[in-house]
Amino acid sequence: IQVTQSPSFLSASVGDKITITCRASQSIGTYLNWYQQEPGKAPHLLIYAASTLQSGVPSRFSGSGSETDFTLTISSLQPEDFATYYCQQTYTIPKVAFGGGTKVEIK
Amino acid sequence: QVQLVQSGAEVRKPGASVKVSCKASGYTFTQYDIYWVRQATGQGLEWVGWINPNSGNTEYAQNLQGRVTLTSETSINTVYMELSSLTPQDTAVYYCARGWQWLDYWGRGALVTVSS
Repeated sequence: IQVTQSPSFLSASVGDKITITCRASQSIGTYLNWYQQEPGKAPHLLIYAASTLQSGVPSRFSGSGSETDFTLTISSLQPEDFATYYCQQTYTIPKVAFGGGTKVEIK
Repeated sequence: QVQLVQSGAEVRKPGASVKVSCKASGYTFTQYDIYWVRQATGQGLEWVGWINPNSGNTEYAQNLQGRVTLTSETSINTVYMELSSLTPQDTAVYYCARGWQWLDYWGRGALVTVSS
């Protein structure tokens, strides 16, 4: 099962609300996670099971969706949020797959 | 605190093999699976393989089948990833990460460079 993210690149300003989409090639229930990766660092978990916020992650991050369509929303972009975001499907664990990534840059 | 400490950067010639380690601490090693994920420079994340450190069961990405081997040494809380018959396309940062349905802790990554 493949997951496709859009857009691949997003330019936004501090304070903006942004939404990133992840679409699965077939239904995956809520077996969908989101990660943030800053340049030169390892990814870290933001949201798991489509909508559950990982401990310590700010509440401006939220996830929604099920089956084939999922979204990651940042309600008010902060300077530290400019990074690359990846979705991951774990419906076929342990054979998992990542989306291609969405790079969020400062406008 | 949970930590996954990976071995350092490696440089290999095409056709050679490389073995990267991932040492876990701060949790019960046998209670969590370990995934390996790689990332070529400027590219996205690619799943490499999975191991259950307790049973030793493994699964590998189809495009690496036959060249990648994951092993665990429970006595020292360490998982290893060995990749053979290296090509320049294997040049990437290799990450280990803990988890099952989601990956909640990651190592810092180990850069493997394949160049003649």
